Amino acid sequence: GNSVTQMEGPVTLSEEAFLTINCTYTATGYPSLFWYVQYPGEGLQLLLKATKADDKGSNKGFEATYRKETTSFHLEKGSVQVSDSAVYFCALSDTGANNLFFGTGTRLTVIP
Amino acid sequence: DAGITQSPRHKVTETGTPVTLRCHQTENHRYMYWYRQDPGHGLRLIHYSYGVKDTDKGEVSDGYSVSRSKTEDFLLTLESATSSQTSVYFCAIRKIDSDGYTFGSGTRLTVV
Repeated sequence: GNSVTQMEGPVTLSEEAFLTINCTYTATGYPSLFWYVQYPGEGLQLLLKATKADDKGSNKGFEATYRKETTSFHLEKGSVQVSDSAVYFCALSDTGANNLFFGTGTRLTVIP
Repeated sequence: DAGITQSPRHKVTETGTPVTLRCHQTENHRYMYWYRQDPGHGLRLIHYSYGVKDTDKGEVSDGYSVSRSKTEDFLLTLESATSSQTSVYFCAIRKIDSDGYTFGSGTRLTVV
């Protein structure tokens, strides 16, 4: 079946620190992979995506590379800001599946 | 703004009462979804629709029904609310042949 396992949080970092949030997946087909971000009191926004192996998604300084050999899609950012404080969700959409499968979410807090 | 609105934004209701949540889109997208968000579970699919009067169940559909009589509106009904249905509910829309989901701002439902 399809599932996403995401790094447990919460994660607290100082401003300008390096961020990694781990995400691994299982899928029956050829999934597309996503990172969504949820700011307090808001819905989910697409942060970045990758649709095939070795693709790198990037946006707002965040990056993630689709690694088929390790079934991973880890989120990274070189220097976090206070404004990056949010909950981050890894998700996959599998071939022919009419659904997004989400990880449990990781809450990031960045302190000045 | 993607043109998706949910109503109400917040609701408190009593156990055993019926509740209807509304999702409205102005994008004319074919696919519409209802998810619930709970701590430790991420988002889970309740029901989805692939056209007017065409709906199907998701992974957590028990206790919920949906209706779509117009392209722009997708209603989620809790026939007899229970405390286990206390959650944040998100609607999402998707264009045909696209893997991009757009989420509403959510409805926080409390069943007391």
